[in-house]
Amino acid sequence: EPEVTQTPSHQVTQMGQEVILRCVPISNHLYFYWYRQILGQKVEFLVSFYNNEISEKSEIFDDQFSVERPDGSNFTLKIRSTKLEDSAMYFCASSAQGETLFFGSGTQLSVL
Amino acid sequence: RKEVEQDPGPFNVPEGATVAFNCTYSNSASQSFFWYRQDCRKEPKLLMSVYSSGNEDGRFTAQLNRASQYISLLIRDSKLSDSATYLCVVNLDTGRRALTFGSGTRLQVQP
Repeated sequence: EPEVTQTPSHQVTQMGQEVILRCVPISNHLYFYWYRQILGQKVEFLVSFYNNEISEKSEIFDDQFSVERPDGSNFTLKIRSTKLEDSAMYFCASSAQGETLFFGSGTQLSVL
Repeated sequence: RKEVEQDPGPFNVPEGATVAFNCTYSNSASQSFFWYRQDCRKEPKLLMSVYSSGNEDGRFTAQLNRASQYISLLIRDSKLSDSATYLCVVNLDTGRRALTFGSGTRLQVQP
């Protein structure tokens, strides 16, 4: 069964450092998303990406965040200068038609 | 009203029990509704979409009540493996694709 894959599974970084979280969406999907979940809290939408551009973003997705699809398979989330409050599980998701989402297993980001 | 609201639980039920979860949503124009399941520190997994006519998948039944703006999930004959957090998920704005998640209802099925 096709799946969304994310790397790394865990990322530890120092405050102020840049991190890049990587995702390989399901191959025939057209819509890509990043969500995050702070420990003990609900899953929150960050950004959606379609046709090589951002289609929607939330208030969380400020200038410190960026997304890229550098080639035909990868989809990345970059946090330019990490803060303590960026510590969370980051989930990548993809969708064929834009409705039903399939999530990757997540990257646990810890900012020290 | 919170955008998507759920009773956090936990619901502790014995094996074989029937359990029901409700969820309310804020925007009467919302069109897409889902139940996802999330195991501890894992990714959300789609359990079922919720249609206006209601739908059933084995032991799971989902209902939508647009007039009252709530959706429900019924689990019959609970199994130990049903223990998880159940997330109510809604596309609140038909002009957008972003999904809004509820905080989840935790279910613990006991032997």
